[in-house]
Amino acid sequence: DIQMAQSPSTLSASVGDRVTITCRASQRISSWLAWYQQKPGKAPKLLIYKASTLESGVPSRFSGSGSGTEFTLVISSLQPDDSATYYCQQYSSYWTFGQGTKVEIK
Amino acid sequence: VQLVESGGGVVQPGRSLRLSCAASGFTFSSYIMSWVRQAPGKGLEWVSSITGSGGKTYYADSVKGRFSISRDNSKNMLFLQMNSLRAEDTALYYCAKDKVGDTGANAFDMWGQGTMVTVSS
Repeated sequence: DIQMAQSPSTLSASVGDRVTITCRASQRISSWLAWYQQKPGKAPKLLIYKASTLESGVPSRFSGSGSGTEFTLVISSLQPDDSATYYCQQYSSYWTFGQGTKVEIK
Repeated sequence: VQLVESGGGVVQPGRSLRLSCAASGFTFSSYIMSWVRQAPGKGLEWVSSITGSGGKTYYADSVKGRFSISRDNSKNMLFLQMNSLRAEDTALYYCAKDKVGDTGANAFDMWGQGTMVTVSS
């Protein structure tokens, strides 16, 4: 089974800051990686798929990069609405989620 | 596009429960559909998936042999039969739609709001 490890588990940043979340796969998954945003009491929302492709309607301040085993989600200028938990997901072999990164606004 | 789950509730350990997901707004039979769960205060866990035709099914090790996924394409419905339930199966269960279709594993671009399953004596 492929395991996904996200870091950090939580982060606190100010509005306007650049935020980076890392996801590591236990084996190579090419670019078969997605990022989701989940707000309390809501279903997850797809942000990025195939490691770097922005889902329709998602603000351009979100970007993804990486391939193989190392991936990154960047929020270029943090906004109050970005307060949420972010999950990576591999879909190279079945599906596995990372443990999540909670982003808080200072 | 809409996914609406139902069937959750409180059930005793060892008992069974069947979840349903009603889909609308897309050609249901053309997409892999999945169940994902989230225990209270915890992260997301993939549970099971089924191909568009229903011919292939996939399960997480944690539920293999106890849960069974199925679909009725004539009614645009997805199901999860959960047997031998355990306390650790307590979670909010989401159904989710594959982004691409039926050509292999992909990201999930649509999610329902979830149905809560509580396993407790």
